[in-house]
Amino acid sequence: AQSVAQPEDQVNVAEGNPLTVKCTYSVSGNPYLFWYVQYPNRGLQFLLKYITGDNLVKGSYGFEAEFNKSQTSFHLKKPSALVSDSALYFCAVRPPLGAGTALIFGKGTTLSVSS
Amino acid sequence: DAGITQSPRYKITETGRQVTLMCHQTWSHSYMFWYRQDLGHGLRLIYYSAAADITDKGEVPDGYVVSRSKTENFPLTLESATRSQTSVYFCASRKREAGNQPQHFGDGTRLSIL
Repeated sequence: AQSVAQPEDQVNVAEGNPLTVKCTYSVSGNPYLFWYVQYPNRGLQFLLKYITGDNLVKGSYGFEAEFNKSQTSFHLKKPSALVSDSALYFCAVRPPLGAGTALIFGKGTTLSVSS
Repeated sequence: DAGITQSPRYKITETGRQVTLMCHQTWSHSYMFWYRQDLGHGLRLIYYSAAADITDKGEVPDGYVVSRSKTENFPLTLESATRSQTSVYFCASRKREAGNQPQHFGDGTRLSIL
């Protein structure tokens, strides 16, 4: 079965430190990969995507993600965390075919940045 | 730029009642989706639609009905609500062209079934 795993329910970092939120996937073919962020009582906001090309993808708000095909991973990173980055982060993949090419989501990782 | 709007934002109802959640998008996107968000499960697809009058089941369709008579609207109906359907429901839309486009989400409907 196709799936996305976010192995950490919560990640805690201090403001100014680098952060990493991990994501691995199990999808046949060459999927499209996405990261979304959700603030309290809001919908999901698109951060970045990997389609093809460079393995390091840059997105909104200073976030970037590193794609590793051999490890089937797509980890979200930021060089210097802000308190305002505290939110729920979702990794998602879109398989090449099927289900209207809807997204398959991980269970989410809560990022907490302390001042 | 209205984007995608969901109504109501909050709803409390009783088991056995019918309830409809509304979703409206102003982009004329072809694809629309309904997800439910539950703790420990992330988002799970309920139904999706590729165009007006074309709908199909997702991962968790039981107990739900959808319709799409107009491109911009994609209502979700719980015909006889059950407590297990207490959840936060998100509607999303996407352009048809190029599957690499992101989905855009509404702000959700928090539904409580007593």
